[in-house]
Amino acid sequence: DAKTTQPNSMESNEEEPVHLPCNHSTISGTDYIHWYRQLPSQGPEYVIHGLTSNVNNRMASLAIAEDRKSSTLILHRATLRDAAVYYCILKRYNQGGKLIFGQGTELSVKP
Amino acid sequence: DTEVTQTPKHLVMGMTNKKSLKCEQHMGHRAMYWYKQKAKKPPELMFVYSYEKLSINESVPSRFSPECPNSSLLNLHLHALQPEDSALYLCASSQGGKGAFDYGYTFGSGTRLTVV
Repeated sequence: DAKTTQPNSMESNEEEPVHLPCNHSTISGTDYIHWYRQLPSQGPEYVIHGLTSNVNNRMASLAIAEDRKSSTLILHRATLRDAAVYYCILKRYNQGGKLIFGQGTELSVKP
Repeated sequence: DTEVTQTPKHLVMGMTNKKSLKCEQHMGHRAMYWYKQKAKKPPELMFVYSYEKLSINESVPSRFSPECPNSSLLNLHLHALQPEDSALYLCASSQGGKGAFDYGYTFGSGTRLTVV
């Protein structure tokens, strides 16, 4: 299965930007990069995904390295409600689109 | 409707009981999934249904039996479970087919199962 590497935990201050890194050196050309987050006692929530180009949506931005071996999820202004576990996942075309979760990064946000 | 609804939210069952978990979505998604999540661990994929057919079984023990009666409904039948099967069971859905790779999954809030 496609492997991603993320820091176990990160801290941020409220209203400051947060950059969550992810390494995926075994990525193949058809793998999509997906990010999900999971708040306590809830199911995972889709955040953003991309293939090659940087992506923006109302929740976050995704910056993908030119060689696609790493990516960064950017929360532009962290709020207390952004405290969650953030998962970076490779969605593999040749594995039926399975979404296999890695260990994730636990983000805490200080007021 | 942009939600995946799971019932019940909590379930306590004995090791000899038979119970079922239910998952429903009305987004027209043709792929549905069951995940199992233990405390402080990431979700683990159990089953994938694509167009109402079982396409992936991640070597799950037969005491877990999935069923997809129609494109909106997914069940997980439980029988003779063990205490170590206690976990949060998550259902998810997504667009089916090759176009699915460019879409995200929508997850339900899960059923918290305790086996006693």
